[in-house]
Amino acid sequence: KNQVEQSPQSLIILEGKNCTLQCNYTVSPFSNLRWYKQDTGRGPVSLTIMTFSENTKSNGRYTATLDADTKQSSLHITASQLSDSASYICVVSAGGTSYGKLTFGQGTILTVHP
Amino acid sequence: ETGVTQSPTHLIKTRGQQVTLRCSSQSGHNTVSWYQQALGQGPQFIFQYYREEENGRGNFPPRFSGLQFPNYSSELNVNALELDDSALYLCASGRGGSYEQYFGPGTRLTVT
Repeated sequence: KNQVEQSPQSLIILEGKNCTLQCNYTVSPFSNLRWYKQDTGRGPVSLTIMTFSENTKSNGRYTATLDADTKQSSLHITASQLSDSASYICVVSAGGTSYGKLTFGQGTILTVHP
Repeated sequence: ETGVTQSPTHLIKTRGQQVTLRCSSQSGHNTVSWYQQALGQGPQFIFQYYREEENGRGNFPPRFSGLQFPNYSSELNVNALELDDSALYLCASGRGGSYEQYFGPGTRLTVT
């Protein structure tokens, strides 16, 4: 069964600090891994997408890493801002096309305090 | 904003009723996927449509059905509503051959 596990479930940090979110997956065949940011009551917004051959990708203060051998990914947020408070969801796509079924993690709820 | 819109924003239905949720894809997109997100959980894949045909389905019963129209807008229909169907329903559109998907803001369905 395809699964995506995220840790921690929730995280509280102070504004300006860095943090790292973890994602482990058992999805086969692997196509790509995505990180999304979801504000409460809103749809997810894509941060990064990585395929098998990519091991790091940045989007501003967000940097995602992928280790396809260990089936692990991380999302590092630098110099956190209050607006970073949201749920961060790791999503893995199975199959060789963009139509592959997506398996979502349960998300990490990040709270940034002033 | 992603250019993907959903209607209605909120909806309250009674158990046993039927509901239709709507999604308008971003211009140029020909795939649409629907997801169910229970409170505090990650989204669960319901199904995907590509060029008006169902292209993949998650573990949802047949009372969850969908349509994609020639203008690539889409509907999600749920029959015989159950209390557990209460959730945020998200649609996401994309362009065939691209991994990127753009999510709408969701429809919050409450079944009483």
